[in-house]
Amino acid sequence: KAGVTQTPRYLIKTRGQQVTLSCSPISGHRSVSWYQQTPGQGLQFLFEYFSETQRNKGNFPGRFSGRQFSNSRSEMNVSTLELGDSALYLCASSLPSDRAHSNEQFFGPGTRLTVL
Amino acid sequence: AQSVTQLDSQVPVFEEAPVELRCNYSSSVSVYLFWYVQYPNQGLQLLLKYLSGSTLVESINGFEAEFNKSQTSFHLRKPSVHISDTAEYFCAVSGAAGNKLTFGGGTRVLVKP
Repeated sequence: KAGVTQTPRYLIKTRGQQVTLSCSPISGHRSVSWYQQTPGQGLQFLFEYFSETQRNKGNFPGRFSGRQFSNSRSEMNVSTLELGDSALYLCASSLPSDRAHSNEQFFGPGTRLTVL
Repeated sequence: AQSVTQLDSQVPVFEEAPVELRCNYSSSVSVYLFWYVQYPNQGLQLLLKYLSGSTLVESINGFEAEFNKSQTSFHLRKPSVHISDTAEYFCAVSGAAGNKLTFGGGTRVLVKP
């Protein structure tokens, strides 16, 4: 079974631009979560999507948004990029469950975003 | 709100020596606890998890962690490390709010020959 895939793997943008990152979950997984990893702030939760609906959201400004499609693939968008948005963006997928918080999350390799 | 503290940012250790990575958490609700490992230029891989039941959990590659509710800790141990264990290790908790994981700051383990 293929793992979580993220595209692109590396991206360079300039301040003020916007960017869209893509995540394809493991087949059959309907929950997709996004995390930002930086040396200063560590790993921080951005949001989670389940059945095309945002189920949970972290403490990030509105410039960070996401969506999920009917095939469970997810995209996240960052508008008006700032230097501080440079980070590794990780996507994770998991199976649906009544005990959602107990599910193992499978992480992709991440997209390394550099903002110049 | 939940928080996770990993007490050591870096742990150098010699090959075949034991290692312990400390993790303490704070939460007002029951939590589920996880240890993830991250190798260079890769995503996170789950090492082990505590959901309920026995407080001692083990992974297939020799790591174990013990959930201590009174001390709100979930320390990770391995009795004998290998060079290949060089990586960054993250402790994480999740509560009732869906799949949101709260991570500690990470501990870099450097195994020396």
